[in-house]
Amino acid sequence: KAGVTQTPRYLIKTRGQQVTLSCSPISGHRSVSWYQQTPGQGLQFLFEYFSETQRNKGNFPGRFSGRQFSNSRSEMNVSTLELGDSALYLCASNRGGRPEGETQYFGPGTRLLVL
Amino acid sequence: AQKITQTQPGMFVQEKEAVTLDCTYDTSDQSYGLFWYKQPSSGEMIFLIYQGSYDEQNATEGRYSLNFQKARKSANLVISASQLGDSAMYFCAMNAGGTSYGKLTFGQGTILTVHP
Repeated sequence: KAGVTQTPRYLIKTRGQQVTLSCSPISGHRSVSWYQQTPGQGLQFLFEYFSETQRNKGNFPGRFSGRQFSNSRSEMNVSTLELGDSALYLCASNRGGRPEGETQYFGPGTRLLVL
Repeated sequence: AQKITQTQPGMFVQEKEAVTLDCTYDTSDQSYGLFWYKQPSSGEMIFLIYQGSYDEQNATEGRYSLNFQKARKSANLVISASQLGDSAMYFCAMNAGGTSYGKLTFGQGTILTVHP
């Protein structure tokens, strides 16, 4: 079974631009979560989508948004990029079934550099 | 809200020896899950092991075992017979039950270096 895939793997943008990252979950997984990883803040939860609905949201400004499609693929968008948005963005999927015991499987991440 | 604390920024171990990575957690939820992930320099997060809050036995997965002490709120990872390929960053994480299980809270991580 194929793992979680993320595209693109690397991205360079300039301040003020917007960016869209894509995540394809493991087949059969209905929940997709997004995380931002930076050296200073560590791993922080952005949001989670389940059956095309945002189910959980982290403490990020409204410039960060996401969506999920009917095939469970998800995209996240960052508008008006700031230097501090430079990070590794990780996507994770799980089946969305049994609570707390549902392991999240991560993709390889997208490295975003904002200049 | 959940909180994970990993107090060891870096750990060193000799190849073939065992090593314990510490993790303490804090939560008011009765039902929760505890996870360990490995992150090599490539960046991908690799799932290692899971322990449920109601599981009475410690979880084991090959060379990995989770020393779960609920009263102390600790979930230490034990790696037996360390290998050079175990050198990586290790994260302890948790989620809560209900509809919040899609959100993982991570610790700051521990960098493990395995010496030959």
